[in-house]
Amino acid sequence: KQEVTQIPAALSVPEGENLVLNCSFTDSAIYNLQWFRQDPGKGLTSLLLIQSSQREQTSGRLNASLDKSSGRSTLYIAASQPGDSATYLCAVRPTTGTASKLTFGTGTRLQVTL
Amino acid sequence: EAEVAQSPRYKITEKSQAVAFWCDPISGHATLYWYRQILGQGPELLVQFQDESVVDDSQLPKDRFSAERLKGVDSTLKIQPAELGDSAMYLCASSPDRDRGEKLFFGSGTQLSVL
Repeated sequence: KQEVTQIPAALSVPEGENLVLNCSFTDSAIYNLQWFRQDPGKGLTSLLLIQSSQREQTSGRLNASLDKSSGRSTLYIAASQPGDSATYLCAVRPTTGTASKLTFGTGTRLQVTL
Repeated sequence: EAEVAQSPRYKITEKSQAVAFWCDPISGHATLYWYRQILGQGPELLVQFQDESVVDDSQLPKDRFSAERLKGVDSTLKIQPAELGDSAMYLCASSPDRDRGEKLFFGSGTQLSVL
């Protein structure tokens, strides 16, 4: 059974700092991995989608990398802003079985302070 | 920009009552998902539809939960009777095509509190 772990569970950084969020998964047989953002009491917004054949994806100040063999992904946020404060979740999609069943991590709660 | 619509936004009910949640996915999206998210945890899949057919409901507590997507468009998730442990955020998501592993688009969710 796939297990997804995100460390740290919570993180507080001053504005302007670069930061890295970590996601690890136990079964490397994945189809793709997504990073989501969730604001308090709201739904999830997809930030980046990395296919298993890719190493990284970039969108603005965000860069996500994927190392399938080691079961790890990182989300890099450059020049953090208070508006980046949210919970960030990663989710993996398997290659076999019920192909669309995402397994989510428990998230990293990020606070960017002024 | 197209969005997944969910209602109600909040629902407070008493134990043993019936509740229903509604979801309208992005137009043209064949796949619809209902997730449950307990505070501090990641979402867990309850049921997945491809058009009007159920693809996966292995995690749906079928003794009290039911879901339907009669015309392959909008969907309803029902709980009867509600229990205290059902208090959670219920999220609906849609994607264009299950087999291609496209991005998921989530609605804002229904926050359920069972008293």
